Amino acid sequence: EDQVTQSPEALRLQEGESSSLNCSYTVSGLRGLFWYRQDPGKGPEFLFTLYSAGEEKEKERLKATLTKKESFLHITAPKPEDSATYLCAVQAGQAGTALIFGKGTTLSVSS
Amino acid sequence: DSGVTQTPKHLITATGQRVTLRCSPRSGDLSVYWYQQSLDQGLQFLIQYYNGEERAKGNILERFSAQQFPDLHSELNLSSLELGDSALYFCASSEDYSNQPQHFGDGTRLSIL
Repeated sequence: EDQVTQSPEALRLQEGESSSLNCSYTVSGLRGLFWYRQDPGKGPEFLFTLYSAGEEKEKERLKATLTKKESFLHITAPKPEDSATYLCAVQAGQAGTALIFGKGTTLSVSS
Repeated sequence: DSGVTQTPKHLITATGQRVTLRCSPRSGDLSVYWYQQSLDQGLQFLIQYYNGEERAKGNILERFSAQQFPDLHSELNLSSLELGDSALYFCASSEDYSNQPQHFGDGTRLSIL
């Protein structure tokens, strides 16, 4: 069964304290791995897509990386506005288009 | 703003009732997806339509149905509502049915009393 596990469930950081979020996956035929940010009361906001092991994407203070078994979202020098829930999702299988989501990591950054 | 519009934002109704949730996809997107988000289950895929045709089905209950109209907007119909159906319902859209990113609306919060 395709599965996505995110850790930790919650993470508290001080402003400027860099860290990483983990997304491990077990799927048959990865077609894409997606990172989203979700703020309270809002829908998930698309951040990155990674398609193959070794690929990296960057946007401001965020950098996503992908291996054959997991993905990391690195947050460099976070600010309070980076506080949100970060969701990882995969598309898998020959015809799979649905996203299979992990339960997310809730990040709190204090000043 | 993702460009995906969902209405209404909130719905409060009683057990046994029927409701309709509406979604307008981003301009140019042909695929529409529906997801359910609850506290314990996270985001779960329900169903996908592509250019008016059903393309994929997830763990969607038989009491739930959806359709996509010629103008590409979609509706999710939930009937014989139960307390456990209380959740956030999200619509997402993408250009086609490949591995392109899906863009989400802000959801409809359904509360069953």
